[in-house]
Amino acid sequence: EVQLVESGGVVVQPGGSLRLSCAASGFTFDDYTMHWVRQAPGKGLEWVSLISWDGGSTYYADSVKGRFTISRDNSKNSLYLQMNSLRTEDTALYYCAKDRSRMEYSYELDYWGQGTLVTVSS
Amino acid sequence: QSALTQPASVSGSPGQSITISCTGTSSDVGSYNLVSWYQQHPGKAPKLMIYEVSKRPSGVSNRFSGSKSGNTASLTISGLQAEDEADYYCCSYAGSRGVFGGGTKLTVL
Repeated sequence: EVQLVESGGVVVQPGGSLRLSCAASGFTFDDYTMHWVRQAPGKGLEWVSLISWDGGSTYYADSVKGRFTISRDNSKNSLYLQMNSLRTEDTALYYCAKDRSRMEYSYELDYWGQGTLVTVSS
Repeated sequence: QSALTQPASVSGSPGQSITISCTGTSSDVGSYNLVSWYQQHPGKAPKLMIYEVSKRPSGVSNRFSGSKSGNTASLTISGLQAEDEADYYCCSYAGSRGVFGGGTKLTVL
């Protein structure tokens, strides 16, 4: 059974930093591209970032480019999101999600975690 | 990076069919057959319902179907059931980014 479990969400002040983690199990982690998707309270889904199966390619939404860094440790079946220079508009539930395509990226996300809440507030 | 355009809400009675549209551009929906649809119930994570425009993952009811014409993709739900009441989001491949629609709230009357 595929499981994705996010952690690391807390309340942080504007300008602060935070690192989210996602522990994956139930599939061959290093065969799949992974994504972060966020959802602000009461709002829709927003794609944030992806990292390819081997960590060689990373992409970001314009809204987080230069502030967030996605990474992965395939030896630990783990995905990360380093979030710097946080803004109030970054407040959201952050989901870790698995790409459906093996050794490609399609932005078609077949498994999602339950999310971890990041609140940016003074 | 503009979101794909979806109607804010749609409604239908049990047993009826509804269609949700998702309009993008020639840079996303119009150029790739990598359009997916997600169902999200309140307080729950999104669930993949359709991928590659019209394919259903294992376990998804055949009452859900997808299609695309030009820059617009569509999700059709036939034989509406109370459990279909949820938010629905489309998503498209757009090269170095993914783009979601703004979401559509489906109400089963």
